[in-house]
Amino acid sequence: GEDVEQSLFLSVREGDSSVINCTYTDSSSTYLYWYKQEPGAGLQLLTYIFSNMDMKQDQRLTVLLNKKDKHLSLRIADTQTGDSAIYFCAGAYSGGYQKVTFGTGTKLQVIP
Amino acid sequence: NAGVTQTPKFQVLKTGQSMTLQCAQDMNHEYMSWYRQDPGMGLRLIHYSVGAGITDQGEVPNGYNVSRSTTEDFPLRLLSAAPSQTSVYFCASTSGQGGINYGYTFGSGTRLTVV
Repeated sequence: GEDVEQSLFLSVREGDSSVINCTYTDSSSTYLYWYKQEPGAGLQLLTYIFSNMDMKQDQRLTVLLNKKDKHLSLRIADTQTGDSAIYFCAGAYSGGYQKVTFGTGTKLQVIP
Repeated sequence: NAGVTQTPKFQVLKTGQSMTLQCAQDMNHEYMSWYRQDPGMGLRLIHYSVGAGITDQGEVPNGYNVSRSTTEDFPLRLLSAAPSQTSVYFCASTSGQGGINYGYTFGSGTRLTVV
């Protein structure tokens, strides 16, 4: 199985960059994901990265994958108050792509 | 295109009662899953399905049943509700085309309280 760990809380000033970190245990993890959850809502898929990639960029979002250290990060450039939410790292390992394991989430607070 | 629809949005049950949480998707997705979300514990997988007629247990299946008679629907049944099942329940689906999981689409959740 897979364990995914994240820090619980991050506070940044509006306009700064945010970096949310995640570590995972299963070296066979093939797909890794970042989700965003706003209060009272479901989870929204932000982006995914495959294990054969080191980096993926999508507008203000940059995902970095360090397979050696089993470390995944999400960088949000020019963070806005609308980015305040809980961010979940998740992974699916090669033995069961449909069984996605989630971290406990990082609450991002953006200070105006 | 409604995506993943969950009903009801809120429910209060008495201990020992049974109920079914409904989940339907209109995206012709093969993979569907049920998760529960509890404070400080992230999301935990209850049951999942890779297609109509095929279901399997996740991390925390005890006290729950599922069935998948059609591609669209994946109901979750609580057999005899317990206070420990107080949680927010999320249904999710993804196409699984080519055996690749590009990420789940989630419903808006059912907030269940068992008293």
